[in-house]
Amino acid sequence: DVKVTQSSRYLVKRTGEKVFLECVQDMDHENMFWYRQDPGLGLRLIYFSYDVKMKEKGDIPEGYSVSREKKERFSLILESASTNQTSMYLCASRTGTRGTGANVLTFGAGSRLTVL
Amino acid sequence: GDSVTQMEGPVTLSEEAFLTINCTYTATGYPSLFWYVQYPGEGLQLLLKATKADDKGSNKGFEATYRKETTSFHLEKGSVQVSDSAVYFCALSINQAGTALIFGKGTTLSVSS
Repeated sequence: DVKVTQSSRYLVKRTGEKVFLECVQDMDHENMFWYRQDPGLGLRLIYFSYDVKMKEKGDIPEGYSVSREKKERFSLILESASTNQTSMYLCASRTGTRGTGANVLTFGAGSRLTVL
Repeated sequence: GDSVTQMEGPVTLSEEAFLTINCTYTATGYPSLFWYVQYPGEGLQLLLKATKADDKGSNKGFEATYRKETTSFHLEKGSVQVSDSAVYFCALSINQAGTALIFGKGTTLSVSS
């Protein structure tokens, strides 16, 4: 089975801190994604990457950046955390061959970030 | 743009009741459609999917049929169990490399014994 591992399940940070959320997948997937999940808003796409060193902005990229230096790892970075970034962050991956729309996303367990 | 609309919850049912969670979509082209489920404290996992019109996805007693004429993908189960209590997300994906899934806002289901 594909595994998507998010390094931290729970984090508490202070306003202004730099925050790194790490995600690693073990099935050689080309595509990786970061979503945030908030009550009443569902899942919103922050960034995705369809290959190493490639990235695309999603619907809510402001305040975030990403890094994909290796195929298996996709990091989400909050340069200066703010309280409105308190949320659940979900990483996902899928194979990226042609016609990938039908391919299934596999999710990690999530990282719950609280910014004080 | 492309979007997914699903019924708002929470949905509260007794065990063995019939479940329907409505989902409609707006998309250019011919998307693939998915239902994901999130159990408490966990990430999302695929429940079922359909990739073309009139396809029926099914898993764990849940079913959904891809209806192009009504742009719908409603989730149904004939007899829910307490263990089905979770958040259910409808999603679509355009069949192009490098595109992302678009999710609905989720519907919380609570089943009591």
